[in-house]
Amino acid sequence: AQSVTQLGSHVSVSEGALVLLRCNYSSSVPPYLFWYVQYPNQGLQLLLKYTSAATLVKGINGFEAEFKKSETSFHLTKPSAHMSDAAEYFCAVISSIGNEKLTFGTGTRLTIIP
Amino acid sequence: DTGVSQNPRHKITKRGQNVTFRCDPISEHNRLYWYRQTLGQGPEFLTYFQNEAQLEKSRLLSDRFSAERPKGSFSTLEIQRTEQGDSAMYLCASSRDRTSGNTIYFGEGSWLTVV
Repeated sequence: AQSVTQLGSHVSVSEGALVLLRCNYSSSVPPYLFWYVQYPNQGLQLLLKYTSAATLVKGINGFEAEFKKSETSFHLTKPSAHMSDAAEYFCAVISSIGNEKLTFGTGTRLTIIP
Repeated sequence: DTGVSQNPRHKITKRGQNVTFRCDPISEHNRLYWYRQTLGQGPEFLTYFQNEAQLEKSRLLSDRFSAERPKGSFSTLEIQRTEQGDSAMYLCASSRDRTSGNTIYFGEGSWLTVV
C-alpha cells in the first residue's frame, strides 16, 4: 500500500520569500516520488521526480526537493517565491516495483503575497 | 512530443445522458491512465492500459463507466446514465513502459458538469 500526506492545504508566502511545501509518504517498497503543479483549469505539469538516484532533486522553475528516507519525506522548496508560482501543488508516489498507479496527496494551494 | 491530448475539454450534460471522452497519448507511450479529480482534491486513479489491455480498474469505476483502448493508441472513457456526482475533471495520462520511474505525463483534462 502507498499513500501521501501533504501538510497544509493552503500556504501563503510573500514574494521573494522561501517556499516550503511539505510531503510525507508511506510505501511498503522503495518509492518513486513526484511533484506536480496545476494551474487553474489546467492539467498537471511535472515539476520534478525522485527515482532512487540523487536524493536532492532539482526541477523546473527553480524548485527542488530532497528525499529523506529516515523521515519518509519529500518536501518541495524554492528559495525565492515569484508571483507566477501561485498554483496548486501535488505530491505523488508510485512503487518502484509492483503497483503501477500514482497515488496523489490532496494538494497544497500556494498563494503569493505581493 | 505533442503532449497528451484530451477532448472535449468541457462537457455539460443533463443527468441520465451518456458522455464520452477521448484521449490521445504521447506517441510510442504504451501505458495510458485515466484519473478523476474533484474540486479541492488530488487526482484519483480510475484505470490503466498497457497497450490495448486494461490491466487494472479502481473500485471508483462503477458499472456505468467503461474505458477502451482498441488499438493500443487512443482511448475513450464513456460514462452512461450520468449522475450529478460524476461532475469532475477527467484526466488522461501516458507513459512508456516502467523503467526507473518513467514520468507519467498528463493531459489538460476534460471537465464534466452534470446538471
